[in-house]
Amino acid sequence: DAKTTQPPSMDCAEGRAANLPCNHSTISGNEYVYWYRQIHSQGPQYIIHGLKNNETNEMASLIITEDRKSSTLILPHATLRDTAVYYCIVRVGWGANFGNEKLTFGTGTRLTIIP
Amino acid sequence: GAVVSQHPSRVICKSGTSVKIECRSLDFQATTMFWYRQFPKQSLMLMATSNEGSKATYEQGVEKDKFLINHASLTLSTLTVTSAHPEDSSFYICSARGRAKGTEAFFGQGTRLTVV
Repeated sequence: DAKTTQPPSMDCAEGRAANLPCNHSTISGNEYVYWYRQIHSQGPQYIIHGLKNNETNEMASLIITEDRKSSTLILPHATLRDTAVYYCIVRVGWGANFGNEKLTFGTGTRLTIIP
Repeated sequence: GAVVSQHPSRVICKSGTSVKIECRSLDFQATTMFWYRQFPKQSLMLMATSNEGSKATYEQGVEKDKFLINHASLTLSTLTVTSAHPEDSSFYICSARGRAKGTEAFFGQGTRLTVV
């Protein structure tokens, strides 16, 4: 799976949009960009994923550059409950390599929402 | 989203004893389960991957005889920490995903193990 680079920490004011960047310059054509977050002392939570088109769901939006070498996770109206570590993971789609699948985490970005 | 239940959420055990952690998928059949360990202020470290009915595949450096993983059914996987020592104290997290292609991986709430 391709390596990702994220800033170690970010702050965002409550109510503003939080934009979390991720670089994945070695991404392959069949690899997706996944985002998870981990609130303190809990298991990670799936947020969103995409291949090359921008994606949006009830939690967030994912913007992937045309060359797919970087992406941005957008939390449109950040709340205090969004304070967490956000992980950007690049991997092939589930089911593409059944029996030899992994989901590995990097160091992520610690996002702090400021009141 | 799908629910993965992990039990217990916290456990304290004496050094030298064994501890079993359960991971259940409550509303889907989990064909693959992952077990992670997380030390304070660090990221999740993948320990092993288990597919239903098969032996677990352990990551390099993880002792398979110390961390016994059983994935005997499509809804249950267990991790047993044998002969636990204080350095095994950590946050253990399981993840499960279903058979259907594209089904996401869902995580349990984690188990805080303290070995005294």
